[in-house]
Parts: sequence; structure tokens; C-alpha cells
Amino acid sequence: GAGVSQSPRYKVTKRGQDVALRCDPISGHVSLYWYRQALGQGPEFLTYFNYEAQQDKSGLPNDRFSAERPEGSISTLTIQRTEQRDSAMYRCASSLANSDSGANVLTFGAGSRLTVL
Amino acid sequence: GQNIDQPTEMTATEGAIVQINCTYQTSGFNGLFWYQQHAGEAPTFLSYNVLDGLEEKGRFSSFLSRSKGYSYLLLKELQMKDSASYLCAVRDSNYQLIWGAGTKLIIKP
Repeated sequence: GAGVSQSPRYKVTKRGQDVALRCDPISGHVSLYWYRQALGQGPEFLTYFNYEAQQDKSGLPNDRFSAERPEGSISTLTIQRTEQRDSAMYRCASSLANSDSGANVLTFGAGSRLTVL
Repeated sequence: GQNIDQPTEMTATEGAIVQINCTYQTSGFNGLFWYQQHAGEAPTFLSYNVLDGLEEKGRFSSFLSRSKGYSYLLLKELQMKDSASYLCAVRDSNYQLIWGAGTKLIIKP
């Protein structure tokens, strides 16, 4: 697609429910990142992929969080047994080049705002 | 630990010049990025520095001093649409981006 597409844009769920957030990166982009961003803060790294391989998941807060990118394109971030503290804006970003190349510019999606009641 | 410091908020006047500073302490250095983020929107790329010196791109310039762990973003001929948050991010030795909290720039007429 022309840009990074995320869905849903807004998700309200009850505590204890599972949620799945989807990211469709720019076609041909190798690297895909998941971030969480609180109001007035910079993005907080969660995990990233080069093609379908998850390279680093050190930013995932706990084992309720997982992500996959099975065919090297669309990615899903899943949060199981949601808690109120999971409420945040979740942003996906993709880049054309591998994560360790020069000016690896990220293009961000509009984000998915998750509210856990 | 790794740390990026930027002022929380700055105010400037339309038509003027403003400099937003960023200092960093990271495990290694593989480039510094500036992103602009309008309220409620996604961050968008502004500039990239990997060597010392000034990179100019229209009204925006970015400077880097690796020995001082310091960068600044210079915005000239400020316009009301420049009101946004400006995020500094450094790529560390593991090629991970470490983000600052951002500087909210308020432009007054």
C-alpha cells in the first residue's frame, strides 16, 4: 500500500480479553517495528522483524505480549488477558532497508489506540 | 543506561528561528534522527546525521557533534504549521533506536 496501515484505529476492550492489532507495512519494506507511545513521550520499542524473522523482542513488557509476521508482510501484535495498564497508542513502523543499514528511515502508521476498561 | 535529553517545551514567534537541542548517552552510535510529530498524528522523518557537521534541508537544518554527544535541529522562518513535537532518536550499537521524549514547539503569531 501507499502507507503503513494499522487496524483497528480504536479498540475498547474489557480487562481480561485478548486483542489483536494488525499492521500492513509499505509494500516491499523489509523491516517492521512495533512501538508503544504514551502521550507526551517518545515511542517505546516493543519488537521488530526483518522479513518474517523476529529479530528482537526485548521490549515486549511480559509474556502476555506477542507478535508475528508469518509471510514477511502483515504483522499482528497480540495482547492476551489485557490489563488497564496496557491502554496506550500502539504504533507500527516499517522501513525499506534492513535495520542495520545507513539512513534506515521509518515510516509510521497512524496507530491503534487501545483502551482497556 | 541509555538516555536522550531534550527540552520538554519551547515557544517561538512566527517568522523567527528556533534551535532544539538534543544530548545523548548511548551504547555506541550509528546515526541520529529527527522526527516531527503533529498532535494526534504519526511521527514523520525530518533528518539524519551520522557524521559531524550540519545537514541542511530547506528551512530545517540538523547539526551533530559525536564527541560531545550533541545535536540540534534548527528551524528557520517559522510557520504556524511548524507547531509540533520534535523527536530526537539515536541508533545504538545494536542498531536499535533510542528515542527522546520529544520537544513540544509552540509557535505564536
